[in-house]
Amino acid sequence: EAQVTQNPRYLITVTGKKLTVTCSQNMNHEYMSWYRQDPGLGLRQIYYSMNVEVTDKGDVPEGYKVSRKEKRNFPLILESPSPNQTSLYFCASSSLAGGYETQYFGPGTRLLVL
Amino acid sequence: AQSVSQHNHHVILSEAASLELGCNYSYGGTVNLFWYVQYPGQHLQLLLKYFSGDPLVKGIKGFEAEFIKSKFSFNLRKPSVQWSDTAEYFCAVTADFGNEKLTFGTGTRLTIIP
Repeated sequence: EAQVTQNPRYLITVTGKKLTVTCSQNMNHEYMSWYRQDPGLGLRQIYYSMNVEVTDKGDVPEGYKVSRKEKRNFPLILESPSPNQTSLYFCASSSLAGGYETQYFGPGTRLLVL
Repeated sequence: AQSVSQHNHHVILSEAASLELGCNYSYGGTVNLFWYVQYPGQHLQLLLKYFSGDPLVKGIKGFEAEFIKSKFSFNLRKPSVQWSDTAEYFCAVTADFGNEKLTFGTGTRLTIIP
């Protein structure tokens, strides 16, 4: 089954404690992306990656890091989380050949930073 | 940079009513436009997209959207809504081929009353 998986699905942490949210896709997609969803603000792109070792900033990259060492994985790293990073995070992937028609979203990770 | 505006924050309709959700974008060049739907507790799903050609685009579940370039608009329509259409709807834009930055609007919550 084609899917994007994210772990953990729910996370409560404290300010300053480094965390990583993993994202993995099994469709051999080149393009992967991270979004955060906040009430009244919709989805905002954090980082995206066009392929292995190719990443770029989205609209709200501050406080986040990503890496793309393997095609299937695109982890989101919060080196020093702060309360304003409390949000719902979605990972997505798509084939560049298919454009966004084939974009798949993960189930989301709900993060609470105390 | 591109931006998207969805002026309807919350729309409440009765079943069988007609629906039109507004979406306006800001960008001076060629754009690709999308509508996504997020059912309660679920991740985003693509409803329809416009890349080029016929400005009237038909999507899944009976939805359609019309691209009006002169008005920078891409409104979503459905002639007769159902209770199961209750969800949040997001318009999104990406500008230019090769630019994979996808910008979302803030979303419109649609509530259908049986």
